[in-house]
Amino acid sequence: SQTIHQWPATLVQPVGSPLSLECTVEGTSNPNLYWYRQAAGRGLQLLFYSVGIGQISSEVPQNLSASRPQDRQFILSSKKLLLSDSGFYLCAWTLIGANTEAFFGQGTRLTVV
Amino acid sequence: AQSVTQLGSHVSVSEGALVLLRCNYSSSVPPYLFWYVQYPNQGLQLLLKYTTGATLVKGINGFEAEFKKSETSFHLTKPSAHMSDAAEYFCAVRASGGYQKVTFGTGTKLQVIP
Repeated sequence: SQTIHQWPATLVQPVGSPLSLECTVEGTSNPNLYWYRQAAGRGLQLLFYSVGIGQISSEVPQNLSASRPQDRQFILSSKKLLLSDSGFYLCAWTLIGANTEAFFGQGTRLTVV
Repeated sequence: AQSVTQLGSHVSVSEGALVLLRCNYSSSVPPYLFWYVQYPNQGLQLLLKYTTGATLVKGINGFEAEFKKSETSFHLTKPSAHMSDAAEYFCAVRASGGYQKVTFGTGTKLQVIP
């Protein structure tokens, strides 16, 4: 069966520090991968999505970047965190060409102080 | 382009009362529709989905939703609320062709009053 791993679960980082959140999917090949951010009262905001290795699309301009170095690995990064980067970050995947739902990781609670 | 609108960011119901969470969508192609539930500090769990076929779909925990194309709606209902239903609920749409990006609504927090 397919599983998705996301870590760390919680993270407290000072303003100006770098960020690296990692997500890996097991049990499937060539998934679509997504990074969402959930800020209080703002629902789920799609940050990045990827349809394949090295292919990244950004939904909104921001202080973050994403990379997909391997088929089932998706990384969210920042060189210098801002206070406004605080939030709950969720990684998700879907199958290409299928009518399936998105499957989510357990999320990372990022607090920038 | 596709979008989802959830009416009401907060809904309160009494335990045992009907739960109704509203979702309207916009999609230029036939949509796939989903409802997810999220408990505090956790990921999203699928409640139910509509892809094709029967427009009334049943999900986990006694929830169901009806796809109404003429109204572009996919409202979530449960006949009798339970305390454990208190959570945040998200409606989502995915186009049936092309890239198939999943777009979420802003969520509805359900409070169940004893």
